[in-house]
Amino acid sequence: GQQVMQIPQYQHVQEGEDFTTYCNSSTTLSNIQWYKQRPGGHPVFLIQLVKSGEVKKQKRLTFQFGEAKKNSSLHITATQTTDVGTYFCAGPNTDKLIFGTGTRLQVFP
Amino acid sequence: KAGVTQTPRYLIKTRGQQVTLSCSPISGHRSVSWYQQTPGQGLQFLFEYFSETQRNKGNFPGRFSGRQFSNSRSEMNVSTLELGDSALYLCASSLRGSGDEKLFFGSGTQLSVL
Repeated sequence: GQQVMQIPQYQHVQEGEDFTTYCNSSTTLSNIQWYKQRPGGHPVFLIQLVKSGEVKKQKRLTFQFGEAKKNSSLHITATQTTDVGTYFCAGPNTDKLIFGTGTRLQVFP
Repeated sequence: KAGVTQTPRYLIKTRGQQVTLSCSPISGHRSVSWYQQTPGQGLQFLFEYFSETQRNKGNFPGRFSGRQFSNSRSEMNVSTLELGDSALYLCASSLRGSGDEKLFFGSGTQLSVL
C-alpha cells in the first residue's frame, strides 16, 4: 500500500538555525498537506500544495512540492522556540489521508 | 464555529474491557475520520465515515469498529482491549472527506490500557 516517509525522525537545533524536513511518497500524489502538532496537542493544518514544483511561503516557513509530485519539503528559516513540535506531511489515498511518519523538532534557546 | 469535540479526554481501562469514544465534528462537516497515534507508529488511519456509511477502513483488527449518526457525530468502539491499544485516538472532520480537503482534528482521547 501507499507509504509516506519523512526524514529526519528527530531534529534538535539551536534557536536561530534553519530546519528542513523531507517527505517521500511511494506513489504520485494529487496534493500534499502539512500539519503541525505541538507537544500535548493535536495536528493542525498548515498548508496544501497541489501543483507540480509548487512553492509556498508562510512567514519563515517554505513548502515545496516536487516535480514528480512524490516528494515535498518544509524549510523553516531561523527557528524559534515556538516552532517546537512534530511536523507531518499527508497525502490522499482513495479519499483518505495517509500521514507521514513525522519529524519531531526541538529548538534549544 | 465550534471545533471538533472528542469525549472523554482521558480513559483508563483494563485488558479485556471495551471502550467507546465519541466525536462531534464541526457543524456542516459530514466526513469523520479516526486515527490512532502512538509514539512508535505515528498517525495510523482507522476508518472514515461519510453520511453514516463507512467508506474507508485501515489495517486494524475487527475489534476496532465505528459508526456515524445522522447528525454526523461518530463513535468508535474497541472491544477486548489489549495493552497495545494504549494510544491517543484522534478524530478529524471535513466537509466531504475527499482526500483533497484539510482535516480539522479534535483534541483526542488518551486511552491507557492496564
